[in-house]
Amino acid sequence: AQKITQTQPGMFVQEKEAVTLDCTYDTSDPSYGLFWYKQPSSGEMIFLIYQGSYDQQNATEGRYSLNFQKARKSANLVISASQLGDSAMYFCAMRESGANNLFFGTGTRLTVIP
Amino acid sequence: EAGVAQSPRYKIIEKRQSVAFWCNPISGHATLYWYQQILGQGPKLLIQFQNNGVVDDSQLPKDRFSAERLKGVDSTLKIQPAKLEDSAVYLCASSLQTGGLFAEAFFGQGTRLTVV
Repeated sequence: AQKITQTQPGMFVQEKEAVTLDCTYDTSDPSYGLFWYKQPSSGEMIFLIYQGSYDQQNATEGRYSLNFQKARKSANLVISASQLGDSAMYFCAMRESGANNLFFGTGTRLTVIP
Repeated sequence: EAGVAQSPRYKIIEKRQSVAFWCNPISGHATLYWYQQILGQGPKLLIQFQNNGVVDDSQLPKDRFSAERLKGVDSTLKIQPAKLEDSAVYLCASSLQTGGLFAEAFFGQGTRLTVV
């Protein structure tokens, strides 16, 4: 089974609007961390936001927030007030406790329309 | 603070040739990762170092891939001989700590390998 599933290959959003990128995960480990990375066309992966499985509140970092629904095993990224520079690939990833690896999803390509 | 440096940025080789990639992590980062990102997919871990020791190389095709991290700083990843399916972006990343859930990995810009 896939550990991370991103079902939206591509998304479009109007500039200044909010957009939600979906991510579901699969783990039996009670302790895990969830990450979102942005990958612009230049290639590097840029860390955006982190949510721990025991965190009581949803993580927020500026215009980024993570809608964490533990029972549904979902960790959706919400970008508010989209900007043209937000156009990029977005990857959801998970690390389980005791594991070294970050498991990545297949990504969602976000395009912001002026 | 300088980021993770990788070279070359691009490489085109014929199948069965050999190739090497270089990575210089952020100063002071003990953990170094090599990821392979095939077009249309997310990155997949090939190997992880803690200082100059290997922590995880379970996904590394050891018949053709090798990696080393001498003196716990720079690292090289080698492919010999290359196959068509090795065409991908090879990403290097580093982090300060390991063993914790939140160990933010900082990535380089990657090396795009095309095998023809």
